[in-house]
Amino acid sequence: NAGVTQTPKFQVLKTGQSMTLQCAQDMNHNSMYWYRQDPGMGLRLIYYSASEGTTDKGEVPNGYNVSRLNKREFSLRLESAAPSQTSVYFCASSVIWARTGHGELFFGEGSRLTVL
Amino acid sequence: DAKTTQPTSMDCAEGRAANLPCNHSTISGNEYVYWYRQIHSQGPQYIIHGLKNNETNEMASLIITEDRKSSTLILPHATLRDTAVYYCIVRPQSNFGNEKLTFGTGTRLTIIP
Repeated sequence: NAGVTQTPKFQVLKTGQSMTLQCAQDMNHNSMYWYRQDPGMGLRLIYYSASEGTTDKGEVPNGYNVSRLNKREFSLRLESAAPSQTSVYFCASSVIWARTGHGELFFGEGSRLTVL
Repeated sequence: DAKTTQPTSMDCAEGRAANLPCNHSTISGNEYVYWYRQIHSQGPQYIIHGLKNNETNEMASLIITEDRKSSTLILPHATLRDTAVYYCIVRPQSNFGNEKLTFGTGTRLTIIP
């Protein structure tokens, strides 16, 4: 059981280049999230998706787009990368237990992006 | 607006109990308290959660005050592997998963040999 898988793990881009970070989960979770973490900082929510076909903005959505391709996959796209987007990106998914409304997040191992 | 407040850093001697406080004075009646930790630069890992009762699992205990405005995560016998950043967050009881879950900067816990 792989859990949450992110690709690539490392990427170096030049300013203005575009790229897509891929995330897939095999736990049949409805909700998926993208966070970024800058050095020495906490996690900031970029976008999230409560279910297949829906996406919503988080705290820091500018400069990013997302696609919830299907229930398993949630991708994050940088159309024109900027040095300020140098960060570690984490994807997460969440189960929601219908009886209690409780749900924990499961995180991937992160994708380390450097924009020169 | 931060929903939780945690000390920036704490030290604890190996083998002793580590008590990590969290203030969530604006918590609503339907919000859970969750704790996660992040070791090195790995993805955060779920530890425990609670609504109003104290909770215990194989990793930790969670003590929530009666007014629910604060809580304490307890690692009963801290080991060097418990050195990590610990995040306390609040999350609405929800069946939809459509809430914005935000993490602050957490508490950096250092276990001292």
